[in-house]
Amino acid sequence: LAKTTQPISMDSYEGQEVNITCSHNNIATNDYITWYQQFPSQGPRFIIQGYKTKVTNEVASLFIPADRKSSTLSLPRVSLSDTAVYYCLVGGNTGKLIFGQGTTLQVKP
Amino acid sequence: DTEVTQTPKHLVMGMTNKKSLKCEQHMGHRAMYWYKQKAKKPPELMFVYSYEKLSINESVPSRFSPECPNSSLLNLHLHALQPEDSALYLCASSRGQGYESNYGYTFGSGTRLTVV
Repeated sequence: LAKTTQPISMDSYEGQEVNITCSHNNIATNDYITWYQQFPSQGPRFIIQGYKTKVTNEVASLFIPADRKSSTLSLPRVSLSDTAVYYCLVGGNTGKLIFGQGTTLQVKP
Repeated sequence: DTEVTQTPKHLVMGMTNKKSLKCEQHMGHRAMYWYKQKAKKPPELMFVYSYEKLSINESVPSRFSPECPNSSLLNLHLHALQPEDSALYLCASSRGQGYESNYGYTFGSGTRLTVV
């Protein structure tokens, strides 16, 4: 299974764009890249998923370079309610998604 | 219905008790999962059910016993737990295990378990 590496924590201010990068050097050909958001005492919530290039939805964008060894989650104009832990996961072939340590994002006023 | 419902939300049990956690979804998902999450740690996969059959057991101690009575329900039976088993237990579901699951997992809000 591909291991992921993310920054442990990040700080930002309201209204700024936040980019969280995830490294996954051992990603397999069949693996997808998925990002989840988790608030305290709640289950993780699916944000976005991609295989290559760029994916955008109403919440975020996901940038994946051609070699797929990393990915960047972009959150436009964050607010205080975006303070959460963000997890990058790689997998999908077996359904065995393993969470890495995640990035704790703190948005300040 | 786009939710995974877990009951109870909170549970306190003694080390000699037997209790069960319940998870329910009505999205037609055919894969269901149990995760365990300790404070300030990422969720850890415990079990995976695919089409109501256990497909993955991540070497979980036998004091945790999963059961999938039908395609909408997933139970986790607890017996003779230890205080270190105290954690948030999360249930999730997806359209299928494998490529079909690429649409993402839907997680419940979890059961906060305290073993005394």
